[in-house]
Amino acid sequence: DTGVSQNPRHKITKRGQNVTFRCDPISEHNRLYWYRQTLGQGPEFLTYFQNEAQLEKSRLLSDRFSAERPKGSFSTLEIQRTEQGDSAMYLCASSGQGADEQFFGPGTRLTVL
Amino acid sequence: AQSVTQLDSQVPVFEEAPVELRCNYSSSVSVYLFWYVQYPNQGLQLLLKYLSGSTLVKGINGFEAEFNKSQTSFHLRKPSVHISDTAEYFCAVSKGKSTFGDGTTLTVKP
Repeated sequence: DTGVSQNPRHKITKRGQNVTFRCDPISEHNRLYWYRQTLGQGPEFLTYFQNEAQLEKSRLLSDRFSAERPKGSFSTLEIQRTEQGDSAMYLCASSGQGADEQFFGPGTRLTVL
Repeated sequence: AQSVTQLDSQVPVFEEAPVELRCNYSSSVSVYLFWYVQYPNQGLQLLLKYLSGSTLVKGINGFEAEFNKSQTSFHLRKPSVHISDTAEYFCAVSKGKSTFGDGTTLTVKP
């Protein structure tokens, strides 16, 4: 069990560029979650998958954000036309079916200049 | 809908003193409750969880929490803190997705 991994750990980009983050969950976990955390705040829910199905999306997830989990394993989160307000830590978590304990990855810190 | 309120944004304490970090929640359905710790530039580490059963839950690093259904609270306690406990602590409720409080910064002073 290698835990949840996220890549890259840090990303600096210019406003208007697109960025993509990857999350690899714990291998036997079928649920995968994305959260966003800004300075001084708790993580905010963005979206989650059960296997390859995206079951819920927060209204925080504007049309510039898209998440996929094509084979029910790893997931990607893409942000198009980044804005300075997108600067945050993006956290991924996974859990097994029927288990509400989520295991978090180390996060990807995005800085938009 | 579910929400979490962490009643103290910052808690300074001296080393070896006891500490309590307060958490109230609201939910229209029964939920699971969690406390996480976050060190700078790191992800969240689970301290303890309440799923069912005994209302007193023991976690890692000497922390414990008590679930109080009537008061909708889940306060975190430690009888004697160490410098290394300095970190951000988050209370969360979960039914599927998790809803987090805004965190409490615990600063342990020598």
